[in-house]
Amino acid sequence: DAKTTQPNSMESNEEEPVHLPCNHSTISGTDYIHWYRQLPSQGPEYVIHGLTSNVNNRMASLAIAEDRKSSTLILHRATLRDAAVYYCILRDRATSGTYKYIFGTGTRLKVLA
Amino acid sequence: EAGVAQSPRYKIIEKRQSVAFWCNPISGHATLYWYQQILGQGPKLLIQFQNNGVVDDSQLPKDRFSAERLKGVDSTLKIQPAKLEDSAVYLCASSLDPTRLSTDTQYFGPGTRLTVL
Repeated sequence: DAKTTQPNSMESNEEEPVHLPCNHSTISGTDYIHWYRQLPSQGPEYVIHGLTSNVNNRMASLAIAEDRKSSTLILHRATLRDAAVYYCILRDRATSGTYKYIFGTGTRLKVLA
Repeated sequence: EAGVAQSPRYKIIEKRQSVAFWCNPISGHATLYWYQQILGQGPKLLIQFQNNGVVDDSQLPKDRFSAERLKGVDSTLKIQPAKLEDSAVYLCASSLDPTRLSTDTQYFGPGTRLTVL
């Protein structure tokens, strides 16, 4: 089962910031928080990841709560191209020693022109 | 850098027929994944290869699904015989080294949309 909880959908106006929340109350001390997004008719693509500190890259920022039980993906200026399903993922350790992603249903972001 | 390639992009078959999907991962990526994504759901991992070997196939319906990875590079996923509930998008992904504790980004292909009538 997915280890994260996200709202099913959110809306934002174009060129405004968007805050996408994620709850992960069972996170362990070594779990990284990953965000991927899936544009229509495409495979998921990496957005950002973090462990404890807030992270920034060219696509987004990731704010992680001090207790690490929740995080927020921040798109600073939403564009129509950002309309997608956003997945917050904690990796699950397989018996083989590798890691695998357990996807939930994600948050469908609608951007209004 | 070329991305993950998949073919075909679309396939329509009748139930009880067989179908195969092909994936070419990013060059140098040791790990290859096959996911099934049913409409409205997130991707579900079916099988994970590390080079030639299978490291996780716990979610693969082995009575009808099979997969192989030839020479640690390309991979094929087969369904035989197909059922109506197999209608989904089949995604292939690859990554460098998922044993790394910190992180390992997965790169996804565009997927194959399968419709079973």
